Amino acid sequence: GDSVTQMEGPVTLSEEAFLTINCTYTATGYPSLFWYVQYPGEGLQLLLKATKADDKGSNKGFEATYRKETTSFHLEKGSVQVSDSAVYFCALILDDMRFGAGTRLTVKP
Amino acid sequence: DVKVTQSSRYLVKRTGEKVFLECVQDMDHENMFWYRQDPGLGLRLIYFSYDVKMKEKGDIPEGYSVSREKKERFSLILESASTNQTSMYLCASSPMMLAGVLGYNEQFFGPGTRLTVL
Repeated sequence: GDSVTQMEGPVTLSEEAFLTINCTYTATGYPSLFWYVQYPGEGLQLLLKATKADDKGSNKGFEATYRKETTSFHLEKGSVQVSDSAVYFCALILDDMRFGAGTRLTVKP
Repeated sequence: DVKVTQSSRYLVKRTGEKVFLECVQDMDHENMFWYRQDPGLGLRLIYFSYDVKMKEKGDIPEGYSVSREKKERFSLILESASTNQTSMYLCASSPMMLAGVLGYNEQFFGPGTRLTVL
């Protein structure tokens, strides 16, 4: 079945460091891809999405590009802030929605 | 703003109790979902509903049931709570595509209910 694999955490970075969280997927068709973020004590919020190959989703300085050839949707940010500390989930939707296990990011001042 | 609310943020119950988790959305969404979130496992779908009185099993329906009597409300029921149902429960909603399938719409999540079963 369809599935999402994302890099295990936790990830700890210093403020202003570059962030990459890897995400790859397996799907029988052409899914839409999402990154959700969960701040402490809250539910999931959509961070960005891409609906077809080569689309780039971006929001709040984060971006991810839908790569069909590598079945990937890696999340990147050029300069992280303490306020970016959260758990990040990669997800796909085709017949139904599938989530990765989540990657906890901690940014230290 | 889309708003999905859940009846409790924290809940503590005893083994064998019947537990009701309530979810309400205010955006007239057709689809509603219940997930549980466990460390290292991400989100796993328990049940979903695409219309009033309609329900479909997700990946892990055992030990759970649901009720959708009104479009805005989707309840998760633990008939007899067990300690392995200690988890974070997340409700979500999404609009339905015109074709009548789940499609590619994002899901909007509530804040979650952290349930502890003793």
